[in-house]
Amino acid sequence: DQQVKQNSPSLSVQEGRISILNCDYTNSMFDYFLWYKKYPAEGPTFLISISSIKDKNEDGRFTVFLNKSAKHLSLHIVPSQPGDSAVYFCAARPTSSNTGKLIFGQGTTLQVKP
Amino acid sequence: ETGVTQSPTHLIKTRGQQVTLRCSSQSGHNTVSWYQQALGQGPQFIFQYYREEENGRGNFPPRFSGLQFPNYSSELNVNALELDDSALYLCASSLADTSLNTEAFFGQGTRLTVV
Repeated sequence: DQQVKQNSPSLSVQEGRISILNCDYTNSMFDYFLWYKKYPAEGPTFLISISSIKDKNEDGRFTVFLNKSAKHLSLHIVPSQPGDSAVYFCAARPTSSNTGKLIFGQGTTLQVKP
Repeated sequence: ETGVTQSPTHLIKTRGQQVTLRCSSQSGHNTVSWYQQALGQGPQFIFQYYREEENGRGNFPPRFSGLQFPNYSSELNVNALELDDSALYLCASSLADTSLNTEAFFGQGTRLTVV
């Protein structure tokens, strides 16, 4: 039972354009959502997060949007850079967790072309 | 730099053997979680440890066990290895305080291959 889904396995965009990565979830009992970036041979690196009481959080080129009614969140990267090429995971924290447990999506591989 | 370190980075084991993976958590973090990431999938939660006790477990059999030590470092033990246990094993540390909404910091992982 996949509670967090990233339905696009891959995305390719041109440098300078916007990258939009999507994530859907099925469980309403999540209170915190995170995006992680992963390069080959490295562990996931935290990128940006959003609390379930907000609908937008921005950090430099990265913005996360949360639509609770649609159980959907998205990560916008503007402008995209070649160094952003990586696998992006969305993750959700169950309300009952004390921060350790995260439910991850399958990941989306982003390729930013120069 | 996250400060979470895992050892070893790569490991090859034979089916039926036992393996121990190690993790040193980031300074100040008191919670350690372990994840299994199969090829092409997202990390799957195995279990977490807080104050040296298991505090939450995912859908993994009892042959997956762990320990947390007073310095908050941790071990993951897997007995009776199966071919499907081949994966990247990730350790993540965090601070057990939901009011801070702190994220989990991951180590680089241990690549386990079972042959």
